[in-house]
Amino acid sequence: DIQMTQSPSSLSASVGDRVTITCQASQDISNYLNWYQQKPGKAPKLLIYDASNLETGVPSRFSGSGSGTDFTFTISSLQPEDIATYYCQQYDNLRSFGPGTKVDIK
Amino acid sequence: QVQLVESGGGLVKPGGSLRLSCAASGFTFSDYYMSWIRQAPGKGLEWVSYISSSGSTIYYADSVKGRFTISRDNAKNSLYLQMNSLRAEDTAVYYCARDRTGDYYGSGSYSYWGQGTLVTVSS
Repeated sequence: DIQMTQSPSSLSASVGDRVTITCQASQDISNYLNWYQQKPGKAPKLLIYDASNLETGVPSRFSGSGSGTDFTFTISSLQPEDIATYYCQQYDNLRSFGPGTKVDIK
Repeated sequence: QVQLVESGGGLVKPGGSLRLSCAASGFTFSDYYMSWIRQAPGKGLEWVSYISSSGSTIYYADSVKGRFTISRDNAKNSLYLQMNSLRAEDTAVYYCARDRTGDYYGSGSYSYWGQGTLVTVSS
């Protein structure tokens, strides 16, 4: 099984700050990595697929990069509506999610 | 517009069974891989199972293998999850989700999710 880790587990940042979340896979997953945003009480929303591709309709302040085992998710300028938990998910071998990173406003 | 509506959740005793359904609309259901993903209260997301567009390819997470069965009825635009031998640790909101694209091997990403149905396993 492929294990996914994320860091940090939570963070607080100010509006306008650049926010970075990292995701690490326990083995090489190429670019088979997605990022989701989940707000309380809601279903997750796909933001980034295949490590770096922005899903249709998602603001360009969200971006992703990486390949192999190490991946990065960035919000270039944090907005109040970005308060949520963010999950990475691999699909190289079956599917699995990272534990999530909770983002809130300082 | 794409809609996924889960149903069938509820309270069940340990060892009991439950069948979840997901009614799909707004797209050609038979073209897409579908999955079940769950989230225990206050916890993260856990992939449970996926089924190919034709139903010929099925995989499960180790935590549910041998107890849960995923199936689909393309004529009825519906996805199912039969859950047997339920345990307290199966308590979660269960989401059905559609692959982002209708790729032959599945796209691996989920662009549409239902609202979820809560399954509570407790005596």
